[in-house]
Amino acid sequence: GAGVSQSPSNKVTEKGKDVELRCDPISGHTALYWYRQSLGQGLEFLIYFQGNSAPDKSGLPSDRFSAERTGGSVSTLTIQRTQQEDSAVYLCASSLAGGANVLTFGAGSRLTVL
Amino acid sequence: AQSVTQPDIHITVSEGASLELRCNYSYGATPYLFWYVQSPGQGLQLLLKYFSGDTLVQGIKGFEAEFKRSQSSFNLRKPSVHWSDAAEYFCAVGAFTGGSQGNLIFGKGTKLSVKP
Repeated sequence: GAGVSQSPSNKVTEKGKDVELRCDPISGHTALYWYRQSLGQGLEFLIYFQGNSAPDKSGLPSDRFSAERTGGSVSTLTIQRTQQEDSAVYLCASSLAGGANVLTFGAGSRLTVL
Repeated sequence: AQSVTQPDIHITVSEGASLELRCNYSYGATPYLFWYVQSPGQGLQLLLKYFSGDTLVQGIKGFEAEFKRSQSSFNLRKPSVHWSDAAEYFCAVGAFTGGSQGNLIFGKGTKLSVKP
């Protein structure tokens, strides 16, 4: 597609429920990133996929968070047993491979945990 | 490990005044440096980037930034601010190791307000 597409744009859930956030990167971009943006906290790195390499999961805050990328394209970020502190905007970005390329960001998915 | 510090959480300038947003980074090798802008309700947009070469880089919307290795800084500047520049600005540092790009580490951002 023309840009990075994220869905849903807004999600309200109850504490303890599981949520899935989807990211559809730009066609041909082999690198995909997830970040979390909380009020006053900037962008917190979560996970990074590059082609067929093992993902860099070093930013995932707990084992309730996981992500997968199917077929080298669409990615899903899953948060299990959501907590109120998980409320944030989850941003996905993609870039071309093979160098220090510029990230293109999606509009984000705003998650509110009640 | 990489880290980025943006010392100013919030800055207010008058329209037409000059602007400088500070960014300091920590990284063991030559970093890749970026400035992104996030307008209210919008996604992040790249303003400019530094990879190598000339340490003064020009970006979109009249912004520029200067890489100073001795000070580990990459400050963003604009000679005359417009009301539409009100937004949040993020500095980021990236690594490039083993033939592939690693993740970008972002600062906590500086919110810019513009007085008429």
